[in-house]
Amino acid sequence: DMKVTQMPRYLIKRMGENVLLECGQDMSHETMYWYRQDPGLGLQLIYISYDVDSNSEGDIPKGYRVSRKKREHFSLILDSAKTNQTSVYFCASSFLERNTLYFGEGSRLIVV
Amino acid sequence: AQSVTQPDARVTVSEGASLQLRCKYSYFGTPYLFWYVQYPRQGLQLLLKYYPGDPVVQGVNGFEAEFSKSNSSFHLRKASVHWSDWAVYFCAVSRGTGGLSGKLTFGEGTQVTVIS
Repeated sequence: DMKVTQMPRYLIKRMGENVLLECGQDMSHETMYWYRQDPGLGLQLIYISYDVDSNSEGDIPKGYRVSRKKREHFSLILDSAKTNQTSVYFCASSFLERNTLYFGEGSRLIVV
Repeated sequence: AQSVTQPDARVTVSEGASLQLRCKYSYFGTPYLFWYVQYPRQGLQLLLKYYPGDPVVQGVNGFEAEFSKSNSSFHLRKASVHWSDWAVYFCAVSRGTGGLSGKLTFGEGTQVTVIS
């Protein structure tokens, strides 16, 4: 069905709590991404995964880690969330060496 | 380092009027350029992409963009805007070897508001 699904869509957490954002895709794409979107900054790449257990830091990986144990599933983990991690997080996927990214609808995280 | 600048944060256009959104890029080498659109409460969707070749590329929903190496630009155009074009538009450049990489550098985005 060519879809990237993100869960949860909305999340409020207290500072210091752990956060798990999950992403799934049904297109058998090898490559998956986590971006965050902040007003006036566009999208910034947090992590990229080239396949199962093959993850690479993006431009702003500090404070985040990822897990990819199945090709169709990619998780973003915030250990001890901070208020400056309040943002909208987008997952995306693509075939390797293809530039067309398919994005999920985003997960809005508020850290208070 | 590569970068993308969209100088207009907001653009308001009347329905039926033409639209141009500006994008300037900085990239050493041959750029691979993209326009993505984000409709309200949705993720980004690809509008069009430029691979080295014809400088004018056609996209979906009547959008087209023109690449200019001399001006380091990749402006997006539409001849007649529809209310459904109300969205945020992002320009992006691909990094990595040969430009075939999902590592995109995005501009700040331009919010397009359509009025009747």
